[in-house]
Amino acid sequence: SQTIHQWPATLVQPVGSPLSLECTVEGTSNPNLYWYRQAAGRGLQLLFYSVGIGQISSEVPQNLSASRPQDRQFILSSKKLLLSDSGFYLCAWSAAAYEQYFGPGTRLTVT
Amino acid sequence: SQQGEEDPQALSIQEGENATMNCSYKTSINNLQWYRQNSGRGLVHLILIRSNEREKHSGRLRVTLDTSKKSSSLLITASRAADTASYFCATDAQGAQKLVFGQGTRLTINP
Repeated sequence: SQTIHQWPATLVQPVGSPLSLECTVEGTSNPNLYWYRQAAGRGLQLLFYSVGIGQISSEVPQNLSASRPQDRQFILSSKKLLLSDSGFYLCAWSAAAYEQYFGPGTRLTVT
Repeated sequence: SQQGEEDPQALSIQEGENATMNCSYKTSINNLQWYRQNSGRGLVHLILIRSNEREKHSGRLRVTLDTSKKSSSLLITASRAADTASYFCATDAQGAQKLVFGQGTRLTINP
């Protein structure tokens, strides 16, 4: 069966510090991978998605970036965090554009 | 632009009652999906309905789709306290490998 992992679960970082969130998927090959951000009590904002290694589509201009160094690994990064980067970050995978399967999320607080 | 919009934003009912949530969207779709999110957790896929389907059932869930009105509804029958969660609809843009989520309906089931 397929599983998706995200870490860390929670993170408190000062403004201006770098960020690296990791997502890995097990039990499937060549998945579509997605990074979302969710503000408190709000819906999901798609940040990046990838249909293959090295292929990244950016949905929202911002100071975040994503990389897919391996088939089942998706990394969200920032060189310098802003207060507005606080939120709940969710990684998801899918086979084509059908059901998406979500990880447990990372709660990021920028102070 | 936001594709899916849920209505109402919040709904509070007594255990055993039925809960109905609505979703409207703007552009043509291949399918529409409903997801559930417990507080602080990742989303869980509930049901997918294709654009050529009008109604679909899964256990206590009933989903309808009206493509002429660009709307869908999710009915949860005989609600339980464990159904307390946020519910999101998500639509795919035809030809795109991504979903667009609405802002969600926060459902509270009172014992």
